[in-house]
Amino acid sequence: AQKITQTQPGMFVQEKEAVTLDCTYDTSDPSYGLFWYKQPSSGEMIFLIYQGSYDQQNATEGRYSLNFQKARKSANLVISASQLGDSAMYFCAMRGTGGYQKVTFGTGTKLQVIP
Amino acid sequence: GAGVSQSPRYKVAKRGQDVALRCDPISGHVSLFWYQQALGQGPEFLTYFQNEAQLDKSGLPSDRFFAERPEGSVSTLKIQRTQQEDSAVYLCASRGGLAGGDEQFFGPGTRLTVL
Repeated sequence: AQKITQTQPGMFVQEKEAVTLDCTYDTSDPSYGLFWYKQPSSGEMIFLIYQGSYDQQNATEGRYSLNFQKARKSANLVISASQLGDSAMYFCAMRGTGGYQKVTFGTGTKLQVIP
Repeated sequence: GAGVSQSPRYKVAKRGQDVALRCDPISGHVSLFWYQQALGQGPEFLTYFQNEAQLDKSGLPSDRFFAERPEGSVSTLKIQRTQQEDSAVYLCASRGGLAGGDEQFFGPGTRLTVL
């Protein structure tokens, strides 16, 4: 069974500052993938970044980077130079490698960027 | 269109009514997923299709929920005799391949409110 834990229900960050959103996971799969999605108030789920469990380097996509610490089973999202448009819900998610790779989501963190 | 589309975007049903929610995945995408997202929660897996085959329906909460994808493209999620606890956003996602690392692309969701 897979489990994703996001312990921060809400976060505030000043515009232009960096922010870290926490995510820990639990799985018995030897190989897995970790994702972060952004969900604005409009409701759509927007893919941000992906990290494979065997990837040697931490994933980066523009202002987003994933701080992957395999031994600690954590996959924190770092957003640099926050913008007002970053205000949204952020979900950490995991997919195993067996079968069709069902995705399990955490409960989310609501990020609010303050001008 | 280029993305996943869902219709209707909003649905209000009286308790006991049947509803049908439609998902148009990205053309050519093999995998299709349905998720249920309750208010303030992360998406919860409902069911998975690989082409027209429903390979996993373990997340469907009761036998009132039924999904189909008869021609391997458009999918319909049907809820019979709706109950208030069915009120949620229903998200559809599609993925092109079966390999690890392929992201799921989400539709905008259908917000179902059962009165």
